[in-house]
Formats: sequence, C-alpha cells, structure tokens
Amino acid sequence: AQRVTQPEKLLSVFKGAPVELKCNYSYSGSPELFWYVQYSRQRLQLLLRHISRESIKGFTADLNKGETSFHLKKPFAQEEDSAMYYCALGNQAGTALIFGKGTTLSVSS
Amino acid sequence: GAGVSQTPSNKVTEKGKYVELRCDPISGHTALYWYRQSLGQGPEFLIYFQGTGAADDSGLPNDRFFAVRPEGSVSTLKIQRTERGDSAVYLCASSPSGTRPHEQYFGPGTRLTVT
Repeated sequence: AQRVTQPEKLLSVFKGAPVELKCNYSYSGSPELFWYVQYSRQRLQLLLRHISRESIKGFTADLNKGETSFHLKKPFAQEEDSAMYYCALGNQAGTALIFGKGTTLSVSS
Repeated sequence: GAGVSQTPSNKVTEKGKYVELRCDPISGHTALYWYRQSLGQGPEFLIYFQGTGAADDSGLPNDRFFAVRPEGSVSTLKIQRTERGDSAVYLCASSPSGTRPHEQYFGPGTRLTVT
C-alpha cells in the first residue's frame, strides 16, 4: 500500500529552536517524496523535493529508506515558518501525489 | 505569469443539486490534477488529465463525479446530486509534464458547502 503518515497534528516551538516535522511512508520501490507548505491565506506550494537534495528557507529533508522516513528539519525556527506542512509521495502509477494529513507548525517568540 | 485559477472561490448549494467547478491551469501545462481536501485531512487525489484525456480517474469517489478538459486547457469538475459529504475544498493543480507527478502548482481551491 502507498501511504504517508504525519504523526503530529500540531508542533509548537519557540523562535530559534530546532524543528523536526516527521513523515513516514509506505511504498514499494524507489519513492519520490516532497514537502508542501501552506501559509495562512495562501495556496499550497512546493517547499522541497528529495530528489533535488536542496535547502529551501533553511529547511532540509533527507530520505531514509531504512526507516522509510522523510523528516523535515530546520535548525533555528522563525516566526514566519508558522504554516501547515504536508508530506507527499508520488504514486506508483506516476499520476498523482499522496498526501499526509499535515502538521501545523506554530513558532512563537 | 498567472498561476492556476479556480472559480468560484466559494459555492454553497443544496443537497441534490448539480455543481460545476472550474480550473484554469498555467498556460502550457499539459498535466492537470483535481484533489479534494476535507477538514483536517490532506488533499486526496480525484483525477489526472494529460492533455484532453483523463489518464487516471481512479480517485473519483463514485459516478456522481465527472471531469472534462475538452481543449486540453480549462477543466471542469462536475458533481451531480450533491450530498452533504461532498462538502470540502476542491483543489486543482497543473504541471508542465505529465510523465511523473513533478512539481505541481496549486490553485487557491473552491470551497464547496452542501446544505
């Protein structure tokens, strides 16, 4: 079965603290994984994809095939990082994304 | 350039009525996707178009749901005999390539409320 699990509904941290948003997946073969973000009153947008191995807005995510995880990390959270974050998996057919339920990140000063 | 647009932004309808939701993808994008997002959930795939044809409609929940993209650009999602359970935000996304679910550009969504 193809599935994405985000175990935390809400993550609250203080500004400057490290952040880790958890994502686990179920997939046969080599997965394509993404993190999408939705800021307040804005549309869903791509944050980063595992294949690019990039860092966007200080966020990174490493694919761990042994643990079937793709956790999103940032060493020092900023208030503007407050948003809803979705982990997504490209489906086997290559026709759609499978999303997790999302985690709300709240960064306070 | 302009992003994906969706109309209307909000739609309130009575149970049993028919509704149409429209999506204008980014110009030149051949792939178009519809998702449905219920409260507290992530987006759930409904249907994928590559050009004019529906390449994957496995996410449509039942035969009350139908979507078209006659000229390979604008798409319309049609829901017949609406039910209260159809209430959700309907998202459209487009992508420059349909061979894999590459970076998808999402529209703002249409919030459908069935009373």
